[in-house]
Amino acid sequence: EVQLVESGGGLVQPGGSLRLSCAASGFTVSSNYMSWVRQAPGKGLEWVSVIYSGGTTYYADSVKGRFTISRDNSKNTLYLQVDSLRPEDSAVYFCARDTYTSGRYAHEYWGQGTLVTVSS
Amino acid sequence: EIVLTQSPGTLSLSPGERATLSCRASQSVSSNYLAWYQQKPGQAPRLLIYGTSSRATGIPDRFSGSGSGTDFTLTFSRLEPEDFAVYYCQQFGSSPWTFGQGTRVEIK
Repeated sequence: EVQLVESGGGLVQPGGSLRLSCAASGFTVSSNYMSWVRQAPGKGLEWVSVIYSGGTTYYADSVKGRFTISRDNSKNTLYLQVDSLRPEDSAVYFCARDTYTSGRYAHEYWGQGTLVTVSS
Repeated sequence: EIVLTQSPGTLSLSPGERATLSCRASQSVSSNYLAWYQQKPGQAPRLLIYGTSSRATGIPDRFSGSGSGTDFTLTFSRLEPEDFAVYYCQQFGSSPWTFGQGTRVEIK
């Protein structure tokens, strides 16, 4: 069974940093495309970043240069290092295992999310 | 950036009714790269449809997706009580990947 469990969120001051983790089970993170998606309180969904199985990474313009996606194969865990945080980064951060089947793409499996609050 | 506009913002319907949700893109999106998600309060989104019309694992056949180019549709043949939620479309055809703002389906 595919499971994704996020952790690492919390309250941080503007300009601060956090490392979000997404522990996976039931599949191998390094063999899959993995994404982070966030949702500000009461708002819609915003894609943040993706890491492909080959290691290529992409970011939303709003986080480029401040956030870094990575993975630890030995721990089967996905990470999102979030630096230079701004109040507008406050959101629930979801990790997702993506599917790319017969040329079709989607975020197939989702974790329950971890809340990041940026406030002084 | 491709902007996805969903309509209506809120749909008020009764169980058993048919529902049609729209997702319009500001530029053409390949049909392979259009997905729909359902989200209930306090829960993570759940994949319903990918590749415009393919149902995800375990999704009942009362959900169907269609469309091409800039106009895409999610249809419920008959609303069940558990279908009342917020629905989002998303495109993967052009970076950055973008979501629509969501359509809330509420009980009338």
